[in-house]
Amino acid sequence: DQQVKQNSPSLSVQEGRISILNCDYTNSMFDYFLWYKKYPAEGPTFLISISSIKDKNEDGRFTVFLNKSAKHLSLHIVPSQPGDSAVYFCAASVGANNLFFGTGTRLTVIP
Amino acid sequence: DGGITQSPKYLFRKEGQNVTLSCEQNLNHDAMYWYRQDPGQGLRLIYYSQIVNDFQKGDIAEGYSVSREKKESFPLTVTSAQKNPTAFYLCASRSPQGSPGANVLTFGAGSRLTVL
Repeated sequence: DQQVKQNSPSLSVQEGRISILNCDYTNSMFDYFLWYKKYPAEGPTFLISISSIKDKNEDGRFTVFLNKSAKHLSLHIVPSQPGDSAVYFCAASVGANNLFFGTGTRLTVIP
Repeated sequence: DGGITQSPKYLFRKEGQNVTLSCEQNLNHDAMYWYRQDPGQGLRLIYYSQIVNDFQKGDIAEGYSVSREKKESFPLTVTSAQKNPTAFYLCASRSPQGSPGANVLTFGAGSRLTVL
């Protein structure tokens, strides 16, 4: 059973606009959430994370929002750039235990 | 520079053959992981090891084996018992619990295995 879900397999956005990637989870025990970015034929690279004690974390153009009551998190990228085109995975864990990954969303930023 | 090195990057195997994928890290991390990625699916955990000489099965361990004889190395063997081995394999490590970034996995560049 998939505990972390990314229901949108793909997203296209114009350069300069906002990209919003969504992720839902089912396990209320998850207390740490991460976003990874992955280019083809490469390993995922860590992008940004958030602890369950917060509802927002910002790092430059990237902001992650956590809505615990809805079991939902989102990644906002603004402004979007062509170099942001990649597959984005969300992941969640209980403490420092194993990460559970979503299926990924392919973001295409159109110049 | 510290990091994770996976080799080979591309590997072809005939059906019925075992193949071993290498993973080496110089990050001084205790925990190491093997994931498999298939198109349209997330990363699925094959095996993980929290410490030398100890490892546990993940969600899809059947047809795979690992060893952890050294802290730096966590090789994965894809055996002939794995029914659908063609995939992209990712090795990762994590810094010790309680240290900064302990919840973050660092990944290698991956190995693509194709069974002919």
